[in-house]
Amino acid sequence: SQQGEEDPQALSIQEGENATMNCSYKTSINNLQWYRQNSGRGLVHLILIRSNEREKHSGRLRVTLDTSKKSSSLLITASRAADTASYFCATDGDDKIIFGKGTRLHILP
Amino acid sequence: EAGVTQFPSHSVIEKGQTVTLRCDPISGHDNLYWYRRVMGKEIKFLLHFVKESKQDESGMPNNRFLAERTGGTYSTLKVQPAELEDSGVYFCASSYLAGAVDEQFFGPGTRLTVL
Repeated sequence: SQQGEEDPQALSIQEGENATMNCSYKTSINNLQWYRQNSGRGLVHLILIRSNEREKHSGRLRVTLDTSKKSSSLLITASRAADTASYFCATDGDDKIIFGKGTRLHILP
Repeated sequence: EAGVTQFPSHSVIEKGQTVTLRCDPISGHDNLYWYRRVMGKEIKFLLHFVKESKQDESGMPNNRFLAERTGGTYSTLKVQPAELEDSGVYFCASSYLAGAVDEQFFGPGTRLTVL
């Protein structure tokens, strides 16, 4: 069954603005990860946040985790055209990764 | 160090044909995983190899899909016969340790189009 569910499904913003995507999950987790997939390309691991962490930064990325609400958010600051992609949250399930449906982010020039 | 590689990058076949996808994991990684993303849906786990053994194949959709990993090195995923709903991107990942989902390294994927 689906674990992560991203919100919104699609998002269009102007270049330079900040983009926020949310993810909700259902069961307890050890960690939560965010991935990016550029059109026609492979998955790129962006950032991992562990269940005992509340916030993590990596460059222009900021991830928060609220285990009480079973939710996470990914913030991309100062968006660029190259950020146009699909973003997935993923949680751990035994040995496998469980992905959500993704948020399609489109950066407008 | 070379990452996970997949071949081909794209494949276009007709319904009823056979396609074989290949994944070469990072050298030394005993754990190999297949995932796929069907158009517009989430990325789903297909199966997990530990060396040449299938550890978990609970995600395999049906018996038209056959995965092998002879010798515990590269893996192949064969779809026979292919159906329209098999179109999507097939990802392979490998890891040194099992259970360390944060250590799974993904390949670039194979985009399969079934006409």
